[in-house]
Amino acid sequence: AQSVAQPEDQVNVAEGNPLTVKCTYSVSGNPYLFWYVQYPNRGLQFLLKYITGDNLVKGSYGFEAEFNKSQTSFHLKKPSALVSDSALYFCAVRDRNYGQNFVFGPGTRLSVLP
Amino acid sequence: NAGVTQTPKFQVLKTGQSMTLQCAQDMNHNSMYWYRQDPGMGLRLIYYSASEGTTDKGEVPNGYNVSRLNKREFSLRLESAAPSQTSVYFCASSEMIAGGSTDTQYFGPGTRLTVL
Repeated sequence: AQSVAQPEDQVNVAEGNPLTVKCTYSVSGNPYLFWYVQYPNRGLQFLLKYITGDNLVKGSYGFEAEFNKSQTSFHLKKPSALVSDSALYFCAVRDRNYGQNFVFGPGTRLSVLP
Repeated sequence: NAGVTQTPKFQVLKTGQSMTLQCAQDMNHNSMYWYRQDPGMGLRLIYYSASEGTTDKGEVPNGYNVSRLNKREFSLRLESAAPSQTSVYFCASSEMIAGGSTDTQYFGPGTRLTVL
């Protein structure tokens, strides 16, 4: 069975500092990995994805994530946080061999303090 | 290009009432999904439709039914609402890519449902 863990409910970071939001996953086969962001009272917006190829994936708004197969992780990073990055972040995984079922993590709330 | 739209935005039901949540997408995507979002639990898949004419159960299908009306529209019905169905409901769509896999999902704005 597929699963996603986001070990931190909340991450606080000062504006201008680097940020990391952690994600680990479990699938039986090879994963497709995604990060989404949710602003208050809005739907989820796609940030970036790993399908295959380069382990470092660059996405929207200056975010990037690194796929680490040995640690089964896909941590989201940004070199310099903005107050406007404050939101709820979701990691999601789909097993390539397991049909349409996407599994989402519980979410991590990021607060960037001015 | 509106993307994924959902109606209504808010709804309050009494236990035992029925209702249908509507979803439409204008991106010509093959696959559509219904999720519920509850605090601390992320999104859980209720039903999905890989293509027009097909529907399949997700993680939490009990108490729900779906209809893939055409390629654009995918509705979710609660036949007899229960307080446990109080949640925020999101519809999503995605494109089919090579090999039959589906790619990035695009989400609607959500429907906030309260069952008293």
